[in-house]
Amino acid sequence: EAQVTQNPRYLITVTGKKLTVTCSQNMNHEYMSWYRQDPGLGLRQIYYSMNVEVTDKGDVPEGYKVSRKEKRNFPLILESPSPNQTSLYFCASSLWSGDSNQPQHFGDGTRLSIL
Amino acid sequence: AQKVTQAQTEISVVEKEDVTLDCVYETRDTTYYLFWYKQPPSGELVFLIRRNSFDEQNEISGRYSWNFQKSTSSFNFTITASQVVDSAVYFCALMHTGGTSYGKLTFGQGTILTVHP
Repeated sequence: EAQVTQNPRYLITVTGKKLTVTCSQNMNHEYMSWYRQDPGLGLRQIYYSMNVEVTDKGDVPEGYKVSRKEKRNFPLILESPSPNQTSLYFCASSLWSGDSNQPQHFGDGTRLSIL
Repeated sequence: AQKVTQAQTEISVVEKEDVTLDCVYETRDTTYYLFWYKQPPSGELVFLIRRNSFDEQNEISGRYSWNFQKSTSSFNFTITASQVVDSAVYFCALMHTGGTSYGKLTFGQGTILTVHP
């Protein structure tokens, strides 16, 4: 089954304690991306990756790191989490091609609470 | 900088009504992609459509249709004969396909659609 898997789904942690949210896809997609969703602000892109070893900043990259060592994995790292990073996070992947209707697949979301 | 505006924060309709969700975008790119996503109350994000800026042909998929007008920088989404299951938050988004921000995606604020029985 084609899917994007995020872990954990829920996490409550404390300020300053490093954490990693994993994202894995089994569709051999080139493009992967992380978003955060906050009430009143909608969805905002954090980082994206066009392929292995290629990552770029989205609109809100501060306080986050990513890596793309393998095609299937795109972990989101919070080196020193702060309460303003409390949010709902989504990972997504898609093929990168000229076909207009290539779907983008999303993970189920990770709800992070930083106390 | 690119920007996506969904002017309608909330829309409420009665079942079987047609409803149009507006999306207006700003970009300096000559090529870009436009997207619509659905987020039902259960919270998952569902991809609905991706449209290349070169392709202004309107798209129809069942009760859903999209009207892309480059001249007015709009990519509107219409649901015909709405159903309660269409109740969700709908997001429009724009992706760079050129320059240093190649692949960057910008979302609108979202429109909350409520369809009443």
